[in-house]
Amino acid sequence: TQLLEQSPQFLSIQEGENLTVYCNSSSVFSSLQWYRQEPGEGPVLLVTVVTGGEVKKLKRLTFQFGDARKDSSLHITAAQPGDTGLYLCAGGVLMNYGGSQGNLIFGKGTKLSVKP
Amino acid sequence: DVKVTQSSRYLVKRTGEKVFLECVQDMDHENMFWYRQDPGLGLRLIYFSYDVKMKEKGDIPEGYSVSREKKERFSLILESASTNQTSMYLCASSLIGGDAYEQYFGPGTRLTVT
Repeated sequence: TQLLEQSPQFLSIQEGENLTVYCNSSSVFSSLQWYRQEPGEGPVLLVTVVTGGEVKKLKRLTFQFGDARKDSSLHITAAQPGDTGLYLCAGGVLMNYGGSQGNLIFGKGTKLSVKP
Repeated sequence: DVKVTQSSRYLVKRTGEKVFLECVQDMDHENMFWYRQDPGLGLRLIYFSYDVKMKEKGDIPEGYSVSREKKERFSLILESASTNQTSMYLCASSLIGGDAYEQYFGPGTRLTVT
């Protein structure tokens, strides 16, 4: 069974601080995605990384895919209250349906709270 | 923008009732998924579908069934609701093959079974 472990589970910081969230597995994934979910809403896709070692930036957010495609990190610089939410990583898994079909394995999430 | 809509944001049902949760996507995606999300357990896949009339069990299909009669619509059915099915239900869709399996989610249905 493929698992994705996220750490930390909870994170409470002050506005302006930096933080890093980790997503680790013993399995190799074909891609890795990060989602952000606000209370009472569905997850919203932030980024997809597909190449080992890939780094993507989205304003103050930096995403990195590990060289071996088993782990990923999300770094937020100068966090703001609007960054508050549940951050989920999800690994792409190829399914045997005669084509390049895939499902996602989700981590349990990191709940981030940024206080003003 | 991909839009995935779910028929209800909040539902309260009684034990033993039959419950229908509807999901519609407007971007011609082939794949559709139903998850439930519970504190401490994360998102768990109930059923998925890669094509009209096609359905496959996910990790926790017991107590649920699904229907996909049209490409844009994927319904989740609780045949006889039980209190342990109280949860947040999320529908998602994705393109076939490409875009590294990116899934787009609806806003969720918070179901309470009393």
